Amino acid sequence: EPEVTQTPSHQVTQMGQEVILRCVPISNHLYFYWYRQILGQKVEFLVSFYNNEISEKSEIFDDQFSVERPDGSNFTLKIRSTKLEDSAMYFCASSKSDRSTGNTIYFGEGSWLTVV
Amino acid sequence: AQTVTQSQPEMSVQEAETVTLSCTYDTSESNYYLFWYKQPPSRQMILVIRQEAYKQQNATENRFSVNFQKAAKSFSLKISDSQLGDTAMYFCAFMFPDGLTFGKGTHLIIQP
Repeated sequence: EPEVTQTPSHQVTQMGQEVILRCVPISNHLYFYWYRQILGQKVEFLVSFYNNEISEKSEIFDDQFSVERPDGSNFTLKIRSTKLEDSAMYFCASSKSDRSTGNTIYFGEGSWLTVV
Repeated sequence: AQTVTQSQPEMSVQEAETVTLSCTYDTSESNYYLFWYKQPPSRQMILVIRQEAYKQQNATENRFSVNFQKAAKSFSLKISDSQLGDTAMYFCAFMFPDGLTFGKGTHLIIQP
Protein backbone atom coordinates (compact mmCIF):
# COMPACT_ATOMS: atom_id res chain seq x y z
CA GLU A 1 0.00 0.00 0.00
CA PRO A 2 1.44 3.42 -0.94
CA GLU A 3 2.55 5.53 1.96
CA VAL A 4 3.98 8.91 2.83
CA THR A 5 7.63 8.67 3.80
CA GLN A 6 9.57 11.17 5.88
CA THR A 7 13.23 11.73 6.62
CA PRO A 8 14.87 12.04 9.03
CA SER A 9 12.91 10.18 11.67
CA HIS A 10 14.71 12.12 14.38
CA GLN A 11 16.96 15.17 14.25
CA VAL A 12 18.70 17.08 17.00
CA THR A 13 19.81 20.60 16.14
CA GLN A 14 21.31 23.61 17.84
CA MET A 15 19.12 26.64 18.43
CA GLY A 16 19.51 29.08 15.55
CA GLN A 17 20.42 26.43 13.01
CA GLU A 18 18.45 25.76 9.84
CA VAL A 19 16.62 22.47 9.47
CA ILE A 20 15.10 20.82 6.42
CA LEU A 21 12.59 18.05 6.86
CA ARG A 22 11.87 15.93 3.82
CA CYS A 23 8.82 14.07 2.66
CA VAL A 24 7.84 11.92 -0.28
CA PRO A 25 4.05 12.09 -0.64
CA ILE A 26 1.98 9.32 -2.18
CA SER A 27 2.67 9.43 -5.90
CA ASN A 28 -0.76 10.26 -7.33
CA HIS A 29 -1.66 12.76 -4.63
CA LEU A 30 -1.97 16.45 -5.44
CA TYR A 31 -2.28 18.11 -2.03
CA PHE A 32 0.54 18.15 0.48
CA TYR A 33 0.55 19.23 4.09
CA TRP A 34 2.73 19.78 7.11
CA TYR A 35 1.41 19.39 10.64
CA ARG A 36 3.14 19.80 13.98
CA GLN A 37 2.59 18.08 17.31
CA ILE A 38 4.36 19.42 20.38
CA LEU A 39 4.82 16.66 22.95
CA GLY A 40 1.61 16.03 24.86
CA GLN A 41 -0.43 18.40 22.72
CA LYS A 42 -2.77 18.06 19.78
CA VAL A 43 -1.78 17.95 16.15
CA GLU A 44 -1.73 21.41 14.59
CA PHE A 45 -2.05 22.38 10.94
CA LEU A 46 0.89 24.33 9.53
CA VAL A 47 0.48 24.59 5.79
CA SER A 48 -1.09 23.07 2.70
CA PHE A 49 0.46 23.08 -0.75
CA TYR A 50 -1.13 22.58 -4.14
CA ASN A 51 0.02 23.21 -7.70
CA ASN A 52 3.42 24.40 -6.51
CA GLU A 53 2.15 27.05 -4.17
CA ILE A 54 0.85 27.43 -0.65
CA SER A 55 -2.94 27.12 -0.61
CA GLU A 56 -3.46 27.75 3.08
CA LYS A 57 -1.31 28.35 6.15
CA SER A 58 -1.89 28.75 9.85
CA GLU A 59 -0.72 31.45 12.24
CA ILE A 60 2.07 29.13 13.32
CA PHE A 61 3.55 29.15 9.83
CA ASP A 62 5.44 32.43 10.09
CA ASP A 63 8.43 33.77 8.17
CA GLN A 64 10.85 31.26 9.68
CA PHE A 65 9.04 28.45 7.87
CA SER A 66 9.00 27.70 4.17
CA VAL A 67 7.94 24.81 1.99
CA GLU A 68 9.14 23.67 -1.37
CA ARG A 69 8.62 20.93 -3.91
CA PRO A 70 12.08 20.91 -5.46
CA ASP A 71 11.39 18.04 -7.84
CA GLY A 72 8.58 15.73 -8.84
CA SER A 73 8.62 13.66 -5.70
CA ASN A 74 9.98 15.50 -2.66
CA PHE A 75 8.18 18.01 -0.47
CA THR A 76 10.26 19.85 2.12
CA LEU A 77 9.71 21.97 5.20
CA LYS A 78 12.51 24.38 6.08
CA ILE A 79 12.82 26.04 9.45
CA ARG A 80 15.27 28.91 9.03
CA SER A 81 16.47 29.68 12.53
CA THR A 82 15.23 27.08 14.98
CA LYS A 83 14.00 27.98 18.44
CA LEU A 84 13.57 25.78 21.47
CA GLU A 85 9.79 25.90 21.03
CA ASP A 86 10.12 24.38 17.55
CA SER A 87 10.85 21.04 19.21
CA ALA A 88 8.01 18.83 18.06
CA MET A 89 6.98 15.96 15.85
CA TYR A 90 6.45 17.21 12.31
CA PHE A 91 4.07 15.21 10.14
CA CYS A 92 3.94 15.36 6.40
CA ALA A 93 0.67 14.33 4.78
CA SER A 94 -0.91 14.12 1.36
CA SER A 95 -4.30 13.65 -0.26
CA LYS A 96 -5.57 13.00 -3.75
CA SER A 97 -7.78 16.01 -3.83
CA ASP A 98 -9.23 18.68 -1.66
CA ARG A 99 -12.12 19.31 0.62
CA SER A 100 -14.66 19.39 -2.16
CA THR A 101 -14.35 15.64 -2.45
CA GLY A 102 -13.29 15.13 1.15
CA ASN A 103 -10.40 12.98 0.23
CA THR A 104 -8.65 11.37 3.12
CA ILE A 105 -5.37 12.85 4.29
CA TYR A 106 -2.67 10.23 4.79
CA PHE A 107 0.13 10.91 7.23
CA GLY A 108 3.78 9.93 7.27
CA GLU A 109 5.43 8.51 10.36
CA GLY A 110 6.71 11.90 11.44
CA SER A 111 10.06 13.59 11.96
CA TRP A 112 10.89 14.25 15.56
CA LEU A 113 12.83 17.52 15.86
CA THR A 114 14.67 18.36 19.06
CA VAL A 115 16.16 21.84 19.36
CA VAL A 116 18.82 22.20 22.06
CA ALA B 1 -13.28 28.87 12.47
CA GLN B 2 -14.02 25.26 13.19
CA THR B 3 -13.37 23.81 16.62
CA VAL B 4 -13.22 20.20 17.72
CA THR B 5 -13.73 19.17 21.33
CA GLN B 6 -12.87 15.85 22.91
CA SER B 7 -14.02 15.95 26.51
CA GLN B 8 -12.44 12.70 27.71
CA PRO B 9 -8.66 13.11 28.20
CA GLU B 10 -8.26 9.46 29.18
CA MET B 11 -10.34 6.29 29.26
CA SER B 12 -9.55 2.79 30.42
CA VAL B 13 -11.51 -0.39 29.67
CA GLN B 14 -10.97 -4.13 29.92
CA GLU B 15 -10.06 -6.13 26.87
CA ALA B 16 -13.11 -7.31 24.87
CA GLU B 17 -15.31 -4.53 26.23
CA THR B 18 -16.97 -1.90 24.09
CA VAL B 19 -15.89 1.71 24.51
CA THR B 20 -17.22 4.96 23.09
CA LEU B 21 -15.09 8.06 22.61
CA SER B 22 -16.91 11.35 22.29
CA CYS B 23 -16.30 14.27 19.97
CA THR B 24 -18.21 17.45 19.30
CA TYR B 25 -17.43 20.13 16.79
CA ASP B 26 -18.57 23.54 15.79
CA THR B 27 -18.98 24.73 12.22
CA SER B 28 -21.23 26.82 10.05
CA GLU B 29 -20.61 24.56 7.07
CA SER B 30 -23.33 22.23 5.85
CA ASN B 31 -21.20 19.80 3.91
CA TYR B 32 -18.01 18.55 5.50
CA TYR B 33 -16.02 15.50 6.50
CA LEU B 34 -15.04 14.07 9.85
CA PHE B 35 -12.32 11.63 10.74
CA TRP B 36 -10.97 9.61 13.61
CA TYR B 37 -7.22 9.03 13.68
CA LYS B 38 -5.34 6.69 15.98
CA GLN B 39 -1.86 7.48 17.29
CA PRO B 40 -0.16 4.51 18.98
CA PRO B 41 3.03 4.90 21.04
CA SER B 42 5.01 4.90 17.79
CA ARG B 43 3.33 8.29 17.19
CA GLN B 44 2.29 7.50 13.66
CA MET B 45 -1.12 8.94 12.67
CA ILE B 46 -3.34 6.16 11.38
CA LEU B 47 -6.74 6.71 9.85
CA VAL B 48 -9.45 4.77 11.66
CA ILE B 49 -12.67 5.91 10.03
CA ARG B 50 -14.19 8.74 8.04
CA GLN B 51 -17.72 10.17 7.80
CA GLU B 52 -19.22 12.38 5.13
CA ALA B 53 -21.72 14.85 6.60
CA TYR B 54 -24.18 14.53 3.76
CA LYS B 55 -24.52 10.79 4.40
CA GLN B 56 -27.03 9.89 7.06
CA GLN B 57 -25.67 6.37 7.42
CA ASN B 58 -23.05 5.98 10.11
CA ALA B 59 -19.68 4.77 8.87
CA THR B 60 -18.36 1.40 10.03
CA GLU B 61 -14.98 -0.21 9.63
CA ASN B 62 -14.79 -3.69 11.16
CA ARG B 63 -14.85 -3.19 14.97
CA PHE B 64 -15.00 0.58 14.63
CA SER B 65 -18.19 2.53 14.05
CA VAL B 66 -19.35 6.08 14.51
CA ASN B 67 -22.50 7.68 15.83
CA PHE B 68 -22.85 10.83 13.75
CA GLN B 69 -25.48 13.28 14.94
CA LYS B 70 -25.34 16.21 12.55
CA ALA B 71 -27.88 18.40 14.30
CA ALA B 72 -26.08 17.95 17.61
CA LYS B 73 -22.66 18.28 15.91
CA SER B 74 -21.55 15.11 17.57
CA PHE B 75 -19.27 12.41 16.16
CA SER B 76 -18.50 9.61 18.59
CA LEU B 77 -16.36 6.54 17.93
CA LYS B 78 -17.38 3.13 19.17
CA ILE B 79 -14.82 0.36 19.44
CA SER B 80 -16.32 -3.09 19.88
CA ASP B 81 -14.48 -6.12 21.27
CA SER B 82 -11.55 -3.91 22.24
CA GLN B 83 -8.06 -5.35 21.89
CA LEU B 84 -4.75 -4.57 23.56
CA GLY B 85 -3.51 -3.13 20.26
CA ASP B 86 -6.23 -0.50 20.43
CA THR B 87 -4.30 1.26 23.18
CA ALA B 88 -3.46 4.65 21.67
CA MET B 89 -4.37 8.32 21.50
CA TYR B 90 -7.47 8.86 19.42
CA PHE B 91 -7.98 12.17 17.66
CA CYS B 92 -11.20 13.42 16.16
CA ALA B 93 -10.66 15.72 13.18
CA PHE B 94 -12.72 18.06 11.04
CA MET B 95 -11.76 18.75 7.46
CA PHE B 96 -11.72 22.44 6.55
CA PRO B 97 -10.92 23.72 3.08
CA ASP B 98 -7.33 22.61 2.87
CA GLY B 99 -6.53 20.62 5.96
CA LEU B 100 -7.67 19.15 9.24
CA THR B 101 -8.51 20.63 12.63
CA PHE B 102 -7.86 18.15 15.41
CA GLY B 103 -9.27 17.77 18.88
CA LYS B 104 -6.93 17.38 21.85
CA GLY B 105 -7.29 13.63 21.83
CA THR B 106 -8.42 10.86 24.14
CA HIS B 107 -5.87 8.46 25.55
CA LEU B 108 -7.48 5.04 25.44
CA ILE B 109 -5.96 2.28 27.54
CA ILE B 110 -7.08 -1.31 27.05
CA GLN B 111 -6.39 -3.39 30.17
CA PRO B 112 -5.69 -7.13 29.87
